[in-house]
Amino acid sequence: GNSVTQMEGPVTLSEEAFLTINCTYTATGYPSLFWYVQYPGEGLQLLLKATKADDKGSNKGFEATYRKETTSFHLEKGSVQVSDSAVYFCAPGGNKLTFGGGTRVLVKP
Amino acid sequence: NAGVTQTPKFQVLKTGQSMTLQCAQDMNHEYMSWYRQDPGMGLRLIHYSVGAGITDQGEVPNGYNVSRSTTEDFPLRLLSAAPSQTSVYFCASSYRAGGQTDTQYFGPGTRLTVL
Repeated sequence: GNSVTQMEGPVTLSEEAFLTINCTYTATGYPSLFWYVQYPGEGLQLLLKATKADDKGSNKGFEATYRKETTSFHLEKGSVQVSDSAVYFCAPGGNKLTFGGGTRVLVKP
Repeated sequence: NAGVTQTPKFQVLKTGQSMTLQCAQDMNHEYMSWYRQDPGMGLRLIHYSVGAGITDQGEVPNGYNVSRSTTEDFPLRLLSAAPSQTSVYFCASSYRAGGQTDTQYFGPGTRLTVL
């Protein structure tokens, strides 16, 4: 099945710092790729997605580009806020959906 | 739309007891799944279903049963609870197109403690 490898956390940043979370995928074909975010005490929710190669997904200042050549879907944000503290999950689409361990991000004032 | 609902929100069981975690969605999604989330372990897939009457095992199916008699409901049954099943359980659903799933919608979770 499809799977991802995601950088381990925790990632600790100061407010307004640049954030990158690396994600590489293994997949049959070219599935859609997703980033989900989990805030404390909540379920996961979609942050952004890309449905085909070279697509860029974006939301709330976050961006990720579907790179077929490097099988990557790295998440970036130019200036993080304390409210971005959460756990971030990269996931490919497919028939049997699995997630990696997630990356915990802590943004300090 | 209520989205994905899960009941109960919290549950405490004794070892050996059985129970059913309920999950329902009102979005007419074909795909539904159950995950457990343990500290430092991310989400692990327990069982999933691609439509009514069809279920399959995920990564960690032992000790759990599921059924999918309707599109809306996907209950998860713990047959004989063990302390190792202490976890937070999430149900999710999504559309499918061309054999691929789209965005997953997650429920709020059930926090289960087995003593």
